[in-house]
Amino acid sequence: GQQLNQSPQSMFIQEGEDVSMNCTSSSIFNTWLWYKQDPGEGPVLLIALYKAGELTSNGRLTAQFGITRKDSFLNISASIPSDVGIYFCAGQLEQFYFGTGTSLTVIP
Amino acid sequence: EAQVTQNPRYLITVTGKKLTVTCSQNMNHEYMSWYRQDPGLGLRQIYYSMNVEVTDKGDVPEGYKVSRKEKRNFPLILESPSPNQTSLYFCASSLSRGTPLHFGNGTRLTVT
Repeated sequence: GQQLNQSPQSMFIQEGEDVSMNCTSSSIFNTWLWYKQDPGEGPVLLIALYKAGELTSNGRLTAQFGITRKDSFLNISASIPSDVGIYFCAGQLEQFYFGTGTSLTVIP
Repeated sequence: EAQVTQNPRYLITVTGKKLTVTCSQNMNHEYMSWYRQDPGLGLRQIYYSMNVEVTDKGDVPEGYKVSRKEKRNFPLILESPSPNQTSLYFCASSLSRGTPLHFGNGTRLTVT
């Protein structure tokens, strides 16, 4: 399968700080998705990106589809405790391929 | 409420004892898929189905079977489970292949 490199693997931040994470691949993808997974639950879709250069926001979350179509970025502004969880990127060719996740801990 | 429902949520079994994990979606989605999630490896696709009676292998299909007799259901079958199939399993569905996936809440399987 395709390899998606997601970084960082984990983050520990203070409440109120901004967060940035990214996904890179050697392959060109048609679609990029960002998911969040809370403990004991399935991934929930946060943002979907469909064309190169696209910048999309969902509340305090902003994601971008990289110009090269080989990467994507997710930013969370003014983090709050409920942002805690694991964030996954997914890139689509004929199927979706998933990154290994970024574990986010927010310290109140 | 639109959802993907998996059962059971937790399952402990012994090597070789056949088991089935059920998956049902109420969104009239054509595409359904099974993934396993392992530490450091992310989500890997086991099998997928583009529509009723159409199934195909994903990246890690060995030791698994699926069926799609009805649009809403997509059970995962382990005919002879082995300890290396201990994992967290997710069923997902979407309107069609390549559109965003909706995930169930997972089934944690332990094979001893």
